[in-house]
Amino acid sequence: GQQVMQIPQYQHVQEGEDFTTYCNSSTTLSNIQWYKQRPGGHPVFLIQLVKSGEVKKQKRLTFQFGEAKKNSSLHITATQTTDVGTYFCAVHYNTNAGKSTFGDGTTLTVKP
Amino acid sequence: NAGVMQNPRHLVRRRGQEARLRCSPMKGHSHVYWYRQLPEEGLKFMVYLQKENIIDESGMPKERFSAEFPKEGPSILRIQQVVRGDSAAYFCASSPRLEGGNYGYTFGSGTRLTVV
Repeated sequence: GQQVMQIPQYQHVQEGEDFTTYCNSSTTLSNIQWYKQRPGGHPVFLIQLVKSGEVKKQKRLTFQFGEAKKNSSLHITATQTTDVGTYFCAVHYNTNAGKSTFGDGTTLTVKP
Repeated sequence: NAGVMQNPRHLVRRRGQEARLRCSPMKGHSHVYWYRQLPEEGLKFMVYLQKENIIDESGMPKERFSAEFPKEGPSILRIQQVVRGDSAAYFCASSPRLEGGNYGYTFGSGTRLTVV
């Protein structure tokens, strides 16, 4: 079946270091979304990428969609303790597929 | 404008009892999705509904689980004869009507089900 792989599973960084999580699909994607879930909380939508090669920024967060629309990355510059949580990618394989398929997430811990 | 409302937040059931989880989507959203999250794991799709219609239930266990989204009232996820393995966080999400595209979900705070 269609699967999306997210790596790494865990990442521990010192405050101020950068962080990147990657999402890879064996199948071309229609679009990809990123969510953040704080410990004990619920997923919160961050962004959606639709176009091949698209790059979007939100303050210290940079989101990229690969040229082949099969992979994506989320990069955080100079992490802060408020960045802790689990970051999930969620993919759609076609425009009219309502459901999102979520990756297993990357859990980020930040040491102050 | 209230977000996605889920209740109860926490639910404890004994093995063999029934669990009913409720979800009211965000105002203006006509699509509801249920996901299950086991501790330290990702979100697993269960079912996708619109008003009075189940669109995709490919992630729903064949037995004991059912879902509905009636014309009036919240969406209900029902688990009959619960077992310990049903203990998890159940999240509901909603999105606006699809018009040739996909939209980000708004998630509720979840229902943490504990089966004892």
